Amino acid sequence: EAGVTQSPTHLIKTRGQQATLRCSPISGHTSVYWYQQALGLGLQFLLWYDEGEERNRGNFPPRFSGRQFPNYSSELNVNALELEDSALYLCASSPPGSPIGPQHFGDGTRLSIL
Amino acid sequence: RKEVEQDPGPFNVPEGATVAFNCTYSNSASQSFFWYRQDCRKEPKLLMSVYSSGNEDGRFTAQLNRASQYISLLIRDSKLSDSATYLCVAGMDSSYKLIFGSGTRLLVRP
Repeated sequence: EAGVTQSPTHLIKTRGQQATLRCSPISGHTSVYWYQQALGLGLQFLLWYDEGEERNRGNFPPRFSGRQFPNYSSELNVNALELEDSALYLCASSPPGSPIGPQHFGDGTRLSIL
Repeated sequence: RKEVEQDPGPFNVPEGATVAFNCTYSNSASQSFFWYRQDCRKEPKLLMSVYSSGNEDGRFTAQLNRASQYISLLIRDSKLSDSATYLCVAGMDSSYKLIFGSGTRLLVRP
């Protein structure tokens, strides 16, 4: 069974640009979660998508947004990039009916802002 | 106050040692608890779920104390490969999200 896949592995942008990160959940999983992990810090919850809808978001500004497609894959968009957005962005998925069950993580996208 | 708090460590122990990590959570409505393991610059991987009755998986034992809002992880007979950061996680139905602690770093030396 393929795990959660994320692309790209690395992304380098400059301040003010926009970044798009992609995630494909494990087959059969309908929920996708996005987390930000800045260097030396813990995971910060960003967004939760389930069945194509945004169900919850963390304490991040509106320039962090995303969507979930009918095939349950998801995109995270970050507009007007700032230096402090440099971090590892992790996507996780879980099966239906387990919103607070264990989540399975992808390898992450490392976003670097120059 | 952080919603999930852990001692950041590092815990530096010799191979074969027994080591225990503790974690506290602030929201009494938390209903699901997990321990994840994260290797340097890698994604977190589920180590085990934590149940009120306590559960064991090989050398790993997890305990939950709801009254004290406290979770523990015990690792027996530590291996070099156990070196990693261990993340304590609590989840709540009301907010449908998992809250991760900042992690406890374990270093197992030969």
